[in-house]
Parts: sequence; C-alpha cells; structure tokens
Amino acid sequence: AQSVTQPDIHITVSEGASLELRCNYSYGATPYLFWYVQSPGQGLQLLLKYFSGDTLVQGIKGFEAEFKRSQSSFNLRKPSVHWSDAAEYFCAVGREYGNKLVFGAGTILRVKS
Amino acid sequence: ETGVTQTPRHLVMGMTNKKSLKCEQHLGHNAMYWYKQSAKKPLELMFVYNFKEQTENNSVPSRFSPECPNSSHLFLHLHTLQPEDSALYLCASRHGQASTDTQYFGPGTRLTVL
Repeated sequence: AQSVTQPDIHITVSEGASLELRCNYSYGATPYLFWYVQSPGQGLQLLLKYFSGDTLVQGIKGFEAEFKRSQSSFNLRKPSVHWSDAAEYFCAVGREYGNKLVFGAGTILRVKS
Repeated sequence: ETGVTQTPRHLVMGMTNKKSLKCEQHLGHNAMYWYKQSAKKPLELMFVYNFKEQTENNSVPSRFSPECPNSSHLFLHLHTLQPEDSALYLCASRHGQASTDTQYFGPGTRLTVL
C-alpha cells in the first residue's frame, strides 16, 4: 500500500527567502506524485504533478518539485516566497493504475514579513 | 476554483438531525469523490463514484450515505452523527480513471456536530 510522509508540520520562512517542503513516499511501483495547496477556508488546488520523464517538474505560482527515486522523495521548492504563499501544502501519491490518491498529513507554511 | 461547488459551506447539526451535503461539478467529469479532512490528520477518502456507480467505500460508517444521481451531482446524506464526525468534507471530481487525470476539489463543507 502507498503512504506519504511530510516530516514538517509547520514551517516558517521570511518573505523573499527560499522554500523547500519535504515529501517522502512509500510505494513499490511507479508512483504518480502530486502537490496540492489549501488556503484557509478553501479546497485543494493542484500545484504540480509528476508521472514520468524529466524529474524536475514545474508548476503554478513559481513552484517546482524534484522526483528522486533513490530517496523516495518529491520535495517542493520555491526560490522566493511571497506572503500569499502562506497556506497548507499536501503531497499525494497515486498508483499507475487506479483512481485513488493517498495524502500526507500536510505542512503549514507561515510567511513572516 | 469554481469548477466544483459545494453547499452549504458551513453546517451545524445535532446528533439526531438529518442533513445532506451537496456537490456539483461543472467540468464534464465522470468520477466524483468524498473526502473527510479532520484537524491534524491526512485526508481520508470516503467514497468514489465512476459514471454514477459507487466503486469505493472506504469502510465508512452507515450514518454517512452517499448518492450520485448523475455524473455532475454528488450528495452525502447524514444522520445520527457523532461529535467526532465534525470535520471539513471535501468533494472532488476527475475526468476519467486514468491515473494521470487530476482531481479537482471543491471548497468543502465545514460540519460541526453538537
């Protein structure tokens, strides 16, 4: 069965600083990986996804993520954080065949000015 | 995101009440999902419907009863809930069954059970 670990419950960064949110997954076959963001009172919005090919994936709002099979990781990065990026971020893994996603517990990002 | 709408956005109910949550998607998708989001816990998949047929019930208590009358609408009927059922209930939709298809989420219904 798949599982996702987001080791950091909370992260605080200064506006303009770089950001890296960690995600580790457990799945024996080819993982399909996603990052979603949830602003307060809102549903989840897809930032980016990885299925195959280039291991560095570009997403919306200036985010990118890198798939590292050897480390079972799919970390999310942004070179310069904006105050509007404050939200909760979820990593998720899906199977090659199937229609279910398994989500991590989320990381709450706080941005200080 | 306005592709998936949920009503009501907030609901307070007693343990003896019966209420329903509604989800509507305007994206032409064929699969719809109910998730439960509790504080400090990962999203929990509750139900999956594909082409109006339930294909997944993730051991959800019978006090939650889903209904999918067509591919655009999904309901969650609630009765005799418990306080621990208080949570954000999210609906999502997806075009098909390909794993590459993205799930699109609604804004959720914040449910409080007294």
